[in-house]
This record gives sequence, structure tokens and C-alpha cells, in this order.
Amino acid sequence: DAKTTQPPSMDCAEGRAANLPCNHSTISGNEYVYWYRQIHSQGPQYIIHGLKNNETNEMASLIITEDRKSSTLILPHATLRDTAVYYCIVRVSFYNQGGKLIFGQGTELSVKP
Amino acid sequence: GAVVSQHPSWVICKSGTSVKIECRSLDFQATTMFWYRQFPKQSLMLMATSNEGSKATYEQGVEKDKFLINHASLTLSTLTVTSAHPEDSSFYICSARDPGQLTSGNTIYFGEGSWLTVV
Repeated sequence: DAKTTQPPSMDCAEGRAANLPCNHSTISGNEYVYWYRQIHSQGPQYIIHGLKNNETNEMASLIITEDRKSSTLILPHATLRDTAVYYCIVRVSFYNQGGKLIFGQGTELSVKP
Repeated sequence: GAVVSQHPSWVICKSGTSVKIECRSLDFQATTMFWYRQFPKQSLMLMATSNEGSKATYEQGVEKDKFLINHASLTLSTLTVTSAHPEDSSFYICSARDPGQLTSGNTIYFGEGSWLTVV
């Protein structure tokens, strides 16, 4: 699975958009970009995933560059409850491909009042 | 939606004893579950893949005789930390894949985690 690079920490003001970048320059054509987050002392929570098109769900938006070498997770209106460590993971689809996830260091997002 | 539950949420044990942590899939059958360990301020580290009805597959550097994994049914995997020592104190997290979901989307669900403190 391709390696990812994320900034170790970011701050965001409450109510503003939080934009979390992820570099994955060695991503393969069949690899997806998955985002999970972990609130302190809890198990990780799925946020969103994508292959090459931009994606949006009730939690966030995922913007993937045309060359797929980087992506940005956008939390449109960050709240204090969004304070967490956000992990960007690149891997092949889970469909018939197990469920192993290799976590990097992630980005610690602090949403401040 | 699918839920994975761990028990206990936290446990304190004496050095030299063994402790068991359970991971259950509550509304789906999981042929494969995964165990992770997380030390404070660090990321999750995959320990092993638990396979129903067969031996677990351990990641490099993880002692299989120390971290016993049993996946006796399609809804339960257990992790037993044998002869625990203070350095085994950590946050242990399991995950399971819902094979009933036939898309490439989110099919992985994580438990709430279990805090182990060895004194």
C-alpha cells in the first residue's frame, strides 16, 4: 500500500472550514484514499473515501487532485467535537481484499473556540 | 449500522498474570478481525489478523506466544495477553470487516478500545 504524508498538527477556529492535506505521490491506479479519525481514547471512525472523483457525505468532503498524488479532507464547519487525530490511508478496495489498515502518524486537529 | 464491541473497556492486572480482551461483531458475521495496539501519543500499530477457524497471522515483531488470539466463532475474537508486564500497558483496539457489504466503501468497523494497565 502507498505511503502517505500528513502534517503532524493543525489548528482551526470553530465554525470555520478545516482543510487537512495528505500527500500520496506513490499511489497506484487501483488504490483508494480513505480517511479515518480518532477522538481521544476511542476507536477510529470512518469519514470518507474516494478513488479519483471528489466525494462528499454528511461528515466531510474529499478533494483528490487530478494526478491523484495528493488529497484534502474538508470539514466545512468545524466544531469542538471535531478535535481528533485524522488519518489518511491509501489502499486497495476492501471488496474481497481483507480489511488490514496501516496507520501513519496522522494529523492532530485542534478546533478552538 | 454495523457495530463492533470490545470488553472490557479497561482492565488493571498484576504483573505476571494473563488478561483476555474480547471483540464482538454485533450485527454481522466477521470471518476476519484485526487487533491493534496504541501507546500514548502514538499511532495504531497492527498486531495481528484474526481468522475464524484458523490460526492468526501476526505482524513482524509481535510475539504470538505472548499475544494469543482465538477466533472461535464468526462474531467473537479474543486477545489474551499472557504473563503481562508493565510494558504491555496500552490501548488495544479491534476491527472487523463486514463481508456482507458488496461495495468498496466503508466495510471496516472499529471497537471502542480496551485500556490495559499492568501493575
